[in-house]
Amino acid sequence: GAVVSQHPSWVICKSGTSVKIECRSLDFQATTMFWYRQFPKQSLMLMATSNEGSKATYEQGVEKDKFLINHASLTLSTLTVTSAHPEDSSFYICSASPHYRENTEAFFGQGTRLTVV
Amino acid sequence: AQSVTQPDIHITVSEGASLELRCNYSYGATPYLFWYVQSPGQGLQLLLKYFSGDTLVQGIKGFEAEFKRSQSSFNLRKPSVHWSDAAEYFCAVGATGNQFYFGTGTSLTVIP
Repeated sequence: GAVVSQHPSWVICKSGTSVKIECRSLDFQATTMFWYRQFPKQSLMLMATSNEGSKATYEQGVEKDKFLINHASLTLSTLTVTSAHPEDSSFYICSASPHYRENTEAFFGQGTRLTVV
Repeated sequence: AQSVTQPDIHITVSEGASLELRCNYSYGATPYLFWYVQSPGQGLQLLLKYFSGDTLVQGIKGFEAEFKRSQSSFNLRKPSVHWSDAAEYFCAVGATGNQFYFGTGTSLTVIP
């Protein structure tokens, strides 16, 4: 099956710094990728939809200036958590699907555990 | 609006016993339904999916799920649970453009 790679798997950063998380589709092209956030013992909540070559679409309540998304190519989307604070500590997961197959299985990255200290 | 409900937050079963995890959805059109499993600190692994056709779908690791349109349900079942099945299970509905809506998850504990 298709592979989505997320990097890094875990990161610890100081409060006030920025962290970039990468999501790559390794063997297919994805015009759209999705970023989710998961708090401990909770479900995945969609944060934003990343669109190749255009601005991301953010879900209600998600600060677009804090969670910067760039989708510069058909195989790479990045999420940058700017001026991170301890409350941003969470598990972030991306997903993507081959662009020619709508509503089929989405392939998920392995997730990134962010801890802000 | 799309939504997915998993009524059981936590389930404990004995190894070898049968398992059923419940999932109910709300969706305006024909749903695309999925079950994912997540081990601690890991990403999501697809167990099975339903798009159309036979309402009883088979997945990996011996899991199956049945789509019941009249009940808006997509319950996950396994006839005999193994200790390695202990994990978090998420039901999801796929919306337009591959956007997913997830249930709150069911945590499965398997006791010897």
